[in-house]
Amino acid sequence: EPEVTQTPSHQVTQMGQEVILRCVPISNHLYFYWYRQILGQKVEFLVSFYNNEISEKSEIFDDQFSVERPDGSNFTLKIRSTKLEDSAMYFCASSETRGVEETQYFGPGTRLLVL
Amino acid sequence: AQKITQTQPGMFVQEKEAVTLDCTYDTSDPSYGLFWYKQPSSGEMIFLIYQGSYDQQNATEGRYSLNFQKARKSANLVISASQLGDSAMYFCAMRVMNTGNQFYFGTGTSLTVIP
Repeated sequence: EPEVTQTPSHQVTQMGQEVILRCVPISNHLYFYWYRQILGQKVEFLVSFYNNEISEKSEIFDDQFSVERPDGSNFTLKIRSTKLEDSAMYFCASSETRGVEETQYFGPGTRLLVL
Repeated sequence: AQKITQTQPGMFVQEKEAVTLDCTYDTSDPSYGLFWYKQPSSGEMIFLIYQGSYDQQNATEGRYSLNFQKARKSANLVISASQLGDSAMYFCAMRVMNTGNQFYFGTGTSLTVIP
């Protein structure tokens, strides 16, 4: 069964460093998303991406963040100048279409720890 | 504004018993979808079940069923014949047609199945 994959599974970085989180969405999916989950809290939407551009973003997704689809399979989230409060689980998700009924399939997450 | 509320931070259930996890939602949009995800201790988000706002019947998927009460704006998840492997966090989520493609998540319910 096709699945969303994410690398790395864990990332430890120093405050102020840049990190790139990688995702491979399900191959026939067209819509891609990043969410984050701070430990013990709910999952929060960051950004959605379609047709090589951002279609929506939340207030969390400020200039510190960027997303890119560098090739036909990868979808990346870059966090510049990381802060302690960026420590969280980051989930990538993808869906085939945009309808309300369309399930978003989540990857296993990348656990980011900023020291 | 869109909002999902899960009022049970933790629940316990005896193995083989049924359990209901509560979820209420708030939206003024008539077209929306409601989803339940399971998050085991390993962290991944697993899709369980979907209910559309126009669906006349309650959704069922194996041991999972969704008790959809539209007038009360509730979408409770019922797990029948609980198994030890059901112990996890459970998140209710909503997607609304006219507010884009993102999911709005509740704060989750931690379910523990007791042998």
